Parts: sequence; structure tokens; C-alpha cells
Amino acid sequence: KAGVTQTPRYLIKTRGQQVTLSCSPISGHRSVSWYQQTPGQGLQFLFEYFSETQRNKGNFPGRFSGRQFSNSRSEMNVSTLELGDSALYLCASQELPNAGELFFGEGSRLTVL
Amino acid sequence: AQSVTQPDIHITVSEGASLELRCNYSYGATPYLFWYVQSPGQGLQLLLKYFSGDTLVQGIKGFEAEFKRSQSSFNLRKPSVHWSDAAEYFCAVGAGFGNEKLTFGTGTRLTIIP
Repeated sequence: KAGVTQTPRYLIKTRGQQVTLSCSPISGHRSVSWYQQTPGQGLQFLFEYFSETQRNKGNFPGRFSGRQFSNSRSEMNVSTLELGDSALYLCASQELPNAGELFFGEGSRLTVL
Repeated sequence: AQSVTQPDIHITVSEGASLELRCNYSYGATPYLFWYVQSPGQGLQLLLKYFSGDTLVQGIKGFEAEFKRSQSSFNLRKPSVHWSDAAEYFCAVGAGFGNEKLTFGTGTRLTIIP
């Protein structure tokens, strides 16, 4: 069974641009969560989706948004990029919310110049 | 709000020696606690979790952790480390029921010397 797949793995953007990151969960997993990892702030929860609905949201500005499709694939979008948005964005999936184990992808590393 | 403290930023251990990584949490209700490991360039892998029941939890790769409510701690242990254990280790607490909105500690980087 394939693991969580995140694309792209690496990308470089400039300030003011927007970016969309994609996450394909493990087959059969319907819950998808997103985390941001930076050296300064560590790992921070962004949001969680289940059945195309956002269940939980972390403390991030409205520039950060996400969605989930009917096939459970998820995307997150960051608009008006700032230098501080440079980070590793990790996606995790599980069969259902609170199923017991989050399976993480390898992440998308975003660099904002 | 919940929080997690990992007081050791970096630990160096000789191969074959025992290991203990510290984790203290703050959470108003019954905590759901996790230890994850991250190798360079990789995502996170769950080592073990505590939801309820026996306070000594066994995980993968020979790791175990003990939940001590009186000390608000969930320390990770391994009796004999292997060079492949070199990685970054994160303790986390889940809000609500289970692993909702995980709050992670800042991590402990483990170096293994021959």
C-alpha cells in the first residue's frame, strides 16, 4: 500500500506569490491533517479535514487555507507569501479522525525568497 | 491550552548504551500522548502512544515510554541504542479525543557515537 504522497517535494517562491501543495493520503484513509515545521516554531498544526469538511483549525492567518476532495486528496494554499512561510509542510492521514495513528508524508519544503 | 516541553535539545549517546528522552506536558484533561521520530529528510513516524490503561507503553524499534501523571511526564526509553536510532524525536499531546490537533515539543536530536 502506498504511503502518504506529497507534491511537490521542493519549491521556491517569492514574496507575494501564492502556492498550492497537494497531499494524497493512504488508500482508504479519509482524514487528512496538515502541519508546518520550521526551525523557530517547530511543528504546528494547521488544519484537519474529513469527508471534505474542515474539522479543526490551528492558529494561522487566513492566508492559509485548505480543502479536501471527494477522493480524500487534500490541498493547502498559502496566499501572499511571506519570508516566514518558508517551512516544511507535512501532511498526515488516518482512516478516520482519532483512529490512533497519523501516517505522515515526507513533506513539501517551501522556500520563500 | 496544552503544551509540551522537551528540555534536552541534543543528546549524544554511545552505541549500546541506554537512552532516556524527557517529555513534560501540560494539559487540563486526560492527555493523549505520543512519541514520533523523524529521520533527516523524512516525515514523522509514530513510535508509541498512550491513551489510557497501563502506564508503561511498548512501541516499535524497542522503545518504551512511561506515563507519570504526578510528574506530568512521558519519558521515552530504550535499553540499548543502535546507530540507526540517530534521528530527531518529538513528544506530542493531542487535544480533544485522541490525536486531534497535536501539540508537539521542540524535539530532541539524538546522536549516536560508535
